[in-house]
Amino acid sequence: NAGVTQTPKFRILKIGQSMTLQCTQDMNHNYMYWYRQDPGMGLKLIYYSVGAGITDKGEVPNGYNVSRSTTEDFPLRLELAAPSQTSVYFCASTPKGTGTQPQHFGDGTRLSIL
Amino acid sequence: EDQVTQSPEALRLQEGESSSLNCSYTVSGLRGLFWYRQDPGKGPEFLFTLYSAGEEKEKERLKATLTKKESFLHITAPKPEDSATYLCAVQAGSNTGKLIFGQGTTLQVKP
Repeated sequence: NAGVTQTPKFRILKIGQSMTLQCTQDMNHNYMYWYRQDPGMGLKLIYYSVGAGITDKGEVPNGYNVSRSTTEDFPLRLELAAPSQTSVYFCASTPKGTGTQPQHFGDGTRLSIL
Repeated sequence: EDQVTQSPEALRLQEGESSSLNCSYTVSGLRGLFWYRQDPGKGPEFLFTLYSAGEEKEKERLKATLTKKESFLHITAPKPEDSATYLCAVQAGSNTGKLIFGQGTTLQVKP
């Protein structure tokens, strides 16, 4: 049981390039999230999804896009990369339920835009 | 606006020196408050969930408490392996599981 897996672990992009950060989970969780974490800051929510085919914006969605075609996968797309998108990106998932479930996190993708 | 503030930003302790980390929150309709531990180069690892004022939870040297305005993470007789960043997050409002995080407290425990 791998949990939440993120690829790649590290990436350097040039300004204006695009890329997709991959996230997959094997826990059959309905809810998935993308966060970014900047030095000395907490995690900020970019996008989230409550199930396949359903996505919504978080606190800082500008410059990003997501899709959710399966329960397992929730890729994050960066179009026209900018230096302000240099950050560590975390994907998380949680089961749908009547209670408040903790989120399970991957180990992140460290992205530098130069 | 929902907000979470953690203090201090950094804390240095000697091994065995007990202390507390603070998490103050302002949210509408708290559904749960979460504590996570984050090691360098890793994702956050879940520690505790607290749901209502007066609730307490313990795990080894850690004890989390909750009031209507803040939560404390008490660390008793810490060891060097407790060194990490501790994150507080709240879930409020609709049942989408969205979390609002504080900026974290980086704890260093020296032998």
